[in-house]
Amino acid sequence: RKEVEQDPGPFNVPEGATVAFNCTYSNSASQSFFWYRQDCRKEPKLLMSVYSSGNEDGRFTAQLNRASQYISLLIRDSKLSDSATYLCVVGRGAHDMRFGAGTRLTVKP
Amino acid sequence: NAGVTQTPKFRVLKTGQSMTLLCAQDMNHEYMYWYRQDPGMGLRLIHYSVGEGTTAKGEVPDGYNVSRLKKQNFLLGLESAAPSQTSVYFCASKRLAETDTQYFGPGTRLTVL
Repeated sequence: RKEVEQDPGPFNVPEGATVAFNCTYSNSASQSFFWYRQDCRKEPKLLMSVYSSGNEDGRFTAQLNRASQYISLLIRDSKLSDSATYLCVVGRGAHDMRFGAGTRLTVKP
Repeated sequence: NAGVTQTPKFRVLKTGQSMTLLCAQDMNHEYMYWYRQDPGMGLRLIHYSVGEGTTAKGEVPDGYNVSRLKKQNFLLGLESAAPSQTSVYFCASKRLAETDTQYFGPGTRLTVL
């Protein structure tokens, strides 16, 4: 079983839709949580960190549920430019980041 | 400010050949990392370095060696390439704070025939 699990998708949604991704992790001692975005054949880039209290950045909202060991990402009012693969990343320590395989999102006109 | 750069961008090797991948960062970051990314799998940590002259093994270190002689450079070596090492290799760097984000280079696509 993978330490960080994500639904690979693809999620195909129309512009303006709201879409949500979930990610589960198995190591209860995990300390830090992130969502990264990766465009096709490009490097991953940080989208947002995820805090226990939940956090929002514009159209993006991230939630962490430590008790159930899952992380979510909500994207509101989807844009064509949101099309990418979204990687869930869980930190076991300062240098030990575990990456999910990613969820692919395609936003269509 | 170039960020994190990787050389080369693409490479094709024959089984048994050796090569070195170069990662350079101009952000004065202490920590540097080498990952590999394979289809259907998340990025996996190969080796990392917490400072000049120090390296440590990650999740999948076998078949690779690394060196960090200068703070800004982190080299990944394959002594005898195998087809199982066909992958996309990403380098990343990070500042000292544990919660800081990692900044990734553009990747090196390596094919071993």
